[in-house]
Amino acid sequence: EVQLLESGGGLVQSGGSLRLSCAASGFTFNNYAMGWVRQAPGRGLEWVSFISGSGGSAYYADSVKGRFTISRDNSKNTLYLQMNSLRAEDTAVYYCAKATSLVGATAFDSWGQGTLVTVSS
Amino acid sequence: QSALTQPASVSGSPGQSITISCTGTSSDVGSNNLVSWYQQYPGKAPKLLIYEVTERPSGVSNRFSGSKSGDTASLTISGLQAEDEANYYCCSYARFSTLVFGGGTKLTVL
Repeated sequence: EVQLLESGGGLVQSGGSLRLSCAASGFTFNNYAMGWVRQAPGRGLEWVSFISGSGGSAYYADSVKGRFTISRDNSKNTLYLQMNSLRAEDTAVYYCAKATSLVGATAFDSWGQGTLVTVSS
Repeated sequence: QSALTQPASVSGSPGQSITISCTGTSSDVGSNNLVSWYQQYPGKAPKLLIYEVTERPSGVSNRFSGSKSGDTASLTISGLQAEDEANYYCCSYARFSTLVFGGGTKLTVL
């Protein structure tokens, strides 16, 4: 059974930093691209970033480009999201998600329970 | 990276069929067959219902089906059940290896 467990969320001041982690189990981690999707309170889903299975390619939404960095440690089966220069509009539940393929994340077939990031202004 | 356009809400009675539309552009929905659909209950993580426009993951009911014409994708739910009441989101692969979600549609089962 695929399990994705996010951690690292919390309250941070505007301009601050946080690093989210996602521990994966139940599948061969390096065979799949992984991504982050967020959801602001009462709002819809917003794609944030995804990374290829090898970690060699990473892509970002314009709203976070230059501020967020996605990475993965395939030896630890763990996905990360380093978030810098946080803004109030980054406040959201952040979901870790497993893609259906190795290279491109065209769909996500497993999701974590989410971790809440709150940025105070 | 503008959000795809979905109706804010749709409704139907048990047993009926409903269709949720998802309109994009020639840069996203219209440029590939990489549209997916998700179901989300309040306070829960999304669940993949459809990928690559028409494909269903194992375990997803065949009451859910997807289609696409031009820049608009659609999700059809047949034989509507009370448990289908949820929020539904479309998503499309877009230019420069990005993804874009729709604004979401709240389905009410009357």
